[in-house]
Parts: sequence; C-alpha cells; structure tokens
Amino acid sequence: ETGVTQTPRHLVMGMTNKKSLKCEQHLGHNAMYWYKQSAKKPLELMFVYSLEERVENNSVPSRFSPECPNSSHLFLHLHTLQPEDSALYLCASSQNGAGLVDTQYFGPGTRLTVL
Amino acid sequence: GDSVTQMEGPVTLSEEAFLTINCTYTATGYPSLFWYVQYPGEGLQLLLKATKADDKGSNKGFEATYRKETTSFHLEKGSVQVSDSAVYFCALSNTGKLIFGQGTTLQVKP
Repeated sequence: ETGVTQTPRHLVMGMTNKKSLKCEQHLGHNAMYWYKQSAKKPLELMFVYSLEERVENNSVPSRFSPECPNSSHLFLHLHTLQPEDSALYLCASSQNGAGLVDTQYFGPGTRLTVL
Repeated sequence: GDSVTQMEGPVTLSEEAFLTINCTYTATGYPSLFWYVQYPGEGLQLLLKATKADDKGSNKGFEATYRKETTSFHLEKGSVQVSDSAVYFCALSNTGKLIFGQGTTLQVKP
C-alpha cells in the first residue's frame, strides 16, 4: 500500500533537537491523523485534521506540534522531546471528514528514538 | 466509553492450523468494526471490516462476523501460513474515531 507515505522511516534525535515528521497521502482523502504506537500499549490517537483544520487534540504535550498545510500533507514538528516519546509514529488518512465513520489507511510509520 | 478487548498473545500455531483471535467490544449505538494487520517493520493495513450486525468481512482467507448479540468480531482463518505472522488489531469506529484493541501477535511456524 503506497497511498500514504511517511518520511523519514527512522529518526534518532537528542532531547534538545528539533525535527519534523512528514506524511503525504495520495488518495484524495479529506482527513488525516497522527497516532503514537508504543510497546505494549494500544495505539494512541494524537491529532485529527479534517479539511486542513485540527478537530482533535488528545491532550498531547506541546512539544509535539502538528501542521496541515493542505489536504495531502501532514507534519509533526518535534522539539525538546523526552526518552519516553520514543515510539512508532503512524500517519493515517480517510476519505470523509472526521466525525464520520470511514476506513483509515495508514502509512508505514516513523520509528523515533529519543536519546 | 467505547473500548475493544482482544485475547492476549502471542498466539503460536503450526502452518495450516486453524486460527481464531477473539475480539469483543463495548460501544453505544452501532459501530463499524475492523481488523487491521501489522507486519514486522510496517504500518497498519486494513484486513477486513463490517459495518452492521451480521455482516461478514473477508479478505485473504480471513473472516470475521459482526455479532451484535455477543458484541464480538472474532477473526478466523482456516489454514494459516508462515507469511501470516504479524500483529492483528481489532478496532471499532463510532464517531469517525478509531478505538483499537491492544493487538495480538501471531507466530506461525513451518
């Protein structure tokens, strides 16, 4: 499935670094999502964008800052992260706007390690 | 709130064995139900889905039936292959938001 791409696939950063994760969907969808997948925990929904507007922020610390410049692109800007933020970050998209039941399609994820 | 419970893993089977991974849910209304699969080093892929009671989702030999009376959506496959080794996630969506179970790891040995 190459409909949703994510870069980089792997990222190692120090706690004082600033980096960004990029997600691009080629499916013509209207909603995009960021999830965090940590070991031995269910997937955690972080942010939801619908028609380029943020519609959900699940109590995510401010060191994570999302950006959705258009319906095809989604970024997650990272700064002053903590080691416990190390995880697989997954991007997803769906046809309809958020709030409507629809299938989400996932990217391959970015494996983030914070030293 | 809405939730999904999956059987604990890992599940270890020999090739050609029958697979069942249990999934039950708690939700208000009539959610849509999904199974996603995650192969090693990859993101989640939609395996199958069902949108209303008694619907059967199927794909690649996997099946699951939406059972409202037992609030279940168990995943089954008649004959597993080594290539089916992965983590399987049951999920529901009631308001557009996906609620995932914790995942069940399947290991298939030759």
